[in-house]
Amino acid sequence: DIVVTQTPLSSPVTLGQPASISCRSSQSLVHSDGNTYLSWLQQRPGQPPRLLIYKISYRFSGVPDRFRGSGAGTDFTLKISRVEAEDVGVYYCVQATQFPVTFGQGTKLEIK
Amino acid sequence: QVQLVESGGGVVQPGGSLRLSCAASGFTFSNYGMHWVRQAPAKGLEWVAFIRYDGISIYYADSVKGRFHISRDNSKNTLYLQMNSLRTEDTAVYYCAKGAYAFDIWGQGTMVTVSS
Repeated sequence: DIVVTQTPLSSPVTLGQPASISCRSSQSLVHSDGNTYLSWLQQRPGQPPRLLIYKISYRFSGVPDRFRGSGAGTDFTLKISRVEAEDVGVYYCVQATQFPVTFGQGTKLEIK
Repeated sequence: QVQLVESGGGVVQPGGSLRLSCAASGFTFSNYGMHWVRQAPAKGLEWVAFIRYDGISIYYADSVKGRFHISRDNSKNTLYLQMNSLRTEDTAVYYCAKGAYAFDIWGQGTMVTVSS
């Protein structure tokens, strides 16, 4: 199974400041079709998860452009350029390149 | 409006069974693979099962293999999860999610509690 490891597990951030979350996989996430199926999800308190980014860097419909995904192979990053209050929650990376699908442990973003 | 609505959760004793449903609307259900994902209380997300758009390819997490069965009825725009031989560690909110590779739409979830 592909292990997906997120760091940090907790990230206190000042409003208006940037935040960054790292996601590392135990093996390459490049699919045989050439795509890399690494996504980022946001889960606000008491809510279901919501897709932010798919295929490393494509923002899903309605996602603010302050969210940016990057990376390749086994190393990926989610960056928030200026954190807003509504960004509080837990962020997960997830790989769907190979079954079983695996999620990172989650990173809790909180405001200082 | 693209929407997924889960139902069928509840309280069940260890060893019991439940069938979850996920009703889809606002998109062509028969064109998309679908997942079940669960989240135990105060824990992270755990993938459970996947079914391809046509129902032909199916995958399960090792933790549920042989006990859970995923299926779909494209004529009813509905995804199912038959859960048998339930264990206390199956207690979680169960979500259905759309899309083979990107989990682009999620339902609100249905709670399953396995307790004596």
